[in-house]
Amino acid sequence: DADVTQTPRNRITKTGKRIMLECSQTKGHDRMYWYRQDPGLGLRLIYYSFDVKDINKGEISDGYSVSRQAQAKFSLSLESAIPNQTALYFCATTDRATGELFFGEGSRLTVL
Amino acid sequence: EDQVTQSPEALRLQEGESSSLNCSYTVSGLRGLFWYRQDPGKGPEFLFTLYSAGEEKEKERLKATLTKKESFLHITAPKPEDSATYLCAVNEGGYNKLIFGAGTRLAVHP
Repeated sequence: DADVTQTPRNRITKTGKRIMLECSQTKGHDRMYWYRQDPGLGLRLIYYSFDVKDINKGEISDGYSVSRQAQAKFSLSLESAIPNQTALYFCATTDRATGELFFGEGSRLTVL
Repeated sequence: EDQVTQSPEALRLQEGESSSLNCSYTVSGLRGLFWYRQDPGKGPEFLFTLYSAGEEKEKERLKATLTKKESFLHITAPKPEDSATYLCAVNEGGYNKLIFGAGTRLAVHP
């Protein structure tokens, strides 16, 4: 089983719909992240959390919200999806000692 | 503003043709430079971390080096299975918030 699991892996939705992407990890790490990847732009940080009670905005948080339900679970929500949120979304955890990020397999979201 | 720039955007090599990928960065207080490999439809996979100028790390056909302004990923005698996108990232501010470059798409042909 993967150490970082994302669901759903693929989702097509319509403009204005609420969408939730879920992430769970078995690494035992306390730090979790959501990144967005667009062609030519690389990975950009949306939100990050250092523990259950700590949530921080990244560089592109507008239009997104997150919830840290437990140490192992971190979900990303789009309250009202718009077409320019079409992208590949990655959840990640980090080894605090090394800074190495461990990524999930990604969630491909298409907003029509 | 902190930045990470990778070049070239895309690179096509023949099998066995060695080359280098570049990652230049401008951050205040580098706390680690990371190289990742990403296959299509997959999440990035960790390759190396470099912390100080002069440091080098190797793994199979890959060797990463670091100076005060840039890092190189050298690929020696590449094989088709080395085809992937290679991502560079820097740790900003010591909070494990990685800033990523746009990546270099490498294609190795037989």
